[in-house]
Amino acid sequence: GDSVTQMEGPVTLSEEAFLTINCTYTATGYPSLFWYVQYPGEGLQLLLKATKADDKGSNKGFEATYRKETTSFHLEKGSVQVSDSAVYFCAQTNGNQFYFGTGTSLTVIP
Amino acid sequence: DVKVTQSSRYLVKRTGEKVFLECVQDMDHENMFWYRQDPGLGLRLIYFSYDVKMKEKGDIPEGYSVSREKKERFSLILESASTNQTSMYLCASSPRGQMNTEAFFGQGTRLTVV
Repeated sequence: GDSVTQMEGPVTLSEEAFLTINCTYTATGYPSLFWYVQYPGEGLQLLLKATKADDKGSNKGFEATYRKETTSFHLEKGSVQVSDSAVYFCAQTNGNQFYFGTGTSLTVIP
Repeated sequence: DVKVTQSSRYLVKRTGEKVFLECVQDMDHENMFWYRQDPGLGLRLIYFSYDVKMKEKGDIPEGYSVSREKKERFSLILESASTNQTSMYLCASSPRGQMNTEAFFGQGTRLTVV
């Protein structure tokens, strides 16, 4: 069935370090892919999305590219800030159901 | 600004109580979802609804029921709360059949059953 697997955490980085959080998916069709961010005590907010192969989603310095050949959607940021500390979820949809990864906790230290 | 609103941010209930968690969206979305979030387990789908008065079981429906009498409102009911239902509950909505659109989430309800 459809599923998402993402890198286990927690991840701790120093400010200005490079971030990669790996995400791969299994799908019967051609899903849309998302990264969500959750700040402490809050719900999930959309960070970026890509709706077809080779699309790149980007927002707030974060990027992810929809790679159909490797069924991946890895999240990257060139220089993280303390304010990026949060939990990040990779997700896919077939237009009705959504499938989420287990989340990766990121802590950025000054 | 589009919104999904959950009725409470924090709730404390006693074992055996009947608990209602309410969720309202103002985007005219057909799909609505209830998830629970626990450390290390991510989001697990409890129930979802594709339309008014329709409901489908998710991955962990045991101990829960839902009600969708109006399009904008989706309620999660814990018939007899137990301590293992202490969790963060998240409501979400999305338009039906639209591949390019994300799910919109409420702010979450942190439920503690004592």
